[in-house]
Amino acid sequence: EVQLLESGGGLVQSGESLRLSCAVSGFTFSTYAMAWVRQAPGKGLEWVSTIGGSGVGTYYAGSVKGRFTISRDNSKNILYLQMNSLTVEDTAMYYCATSKTQGVAVPWDYWGQGALVTVSS
Amino acid sequence: DIQMTQSPSTLSASVGDRVTITCRASQRISTWLAWYQQKPAKAPKLLIQKVSNLESGVPSRFSGSGSGTEFTLTISSLQPDDFATYYCQQYNFFPVTFGQGTKLQI
Repeated sequence: EVQLLESGGGLVQSGESLRLSCAVSGFTFSTYAMAWVRQAPGKGLEWVSTIGGSGVGTYYAGSVKGRFTISRDNSKNILYLQMNSLTVEDTAMYYCATSKTQGVAVPWDYWGQGALVTVSS
Repeated sequence: DIQMTQSPSTLSASVGDRVTITCRASQRISTWLAWYQQKPAKAPKLLIQKVSNLESGVPSRFSGSGSGTEFTLTISSLQPDDFATYYCQQYNFFPVTFGQGTKLQI
């Protein structure tokens, strides 16, 4: 069974940093791209970032480019999202997600339960 | 960026109804269109990919169609478990983009 478990969420002040982790089990982690998707309270889904299976290709939403960094440790089956210069607009539930389809631009079959990030002013 | 516009934003229906949700893309996305269902405080669930390919375990009352820029999700006979929010997603180009969501309510 594929399982994704996010951690690292919390309450921070505007301008601070936070790193999210997503521990993955139940499938061949290094073969598949991973993504972060967020959802602000009461709002819709917003794609944040994707990283290829090997970790070489990375892609970012314009709203986070230059502030967030996605990475992965294929030896530990963990996905990361380093978030710097956080603003109140970054307040959201952050989901990690992956697909059983190879490629980077893919729909996501598997999702974690989410990690809540709250940024106060 | 490709804008995805869903309609309606809210849909009131009853058990047994047939409902259709429309998703329009601001430019052609071929068949790289997915639909998700999300219930309160839960992660989204992938229902359909490549416009019409139903995910394993998704009831056959769900179906998808369309091409180019206009796509639809149809639920043929609503069941109580179907009341949720539905999102379309294009994955033809980065940035991947979602529709704003359609809340299906009683």
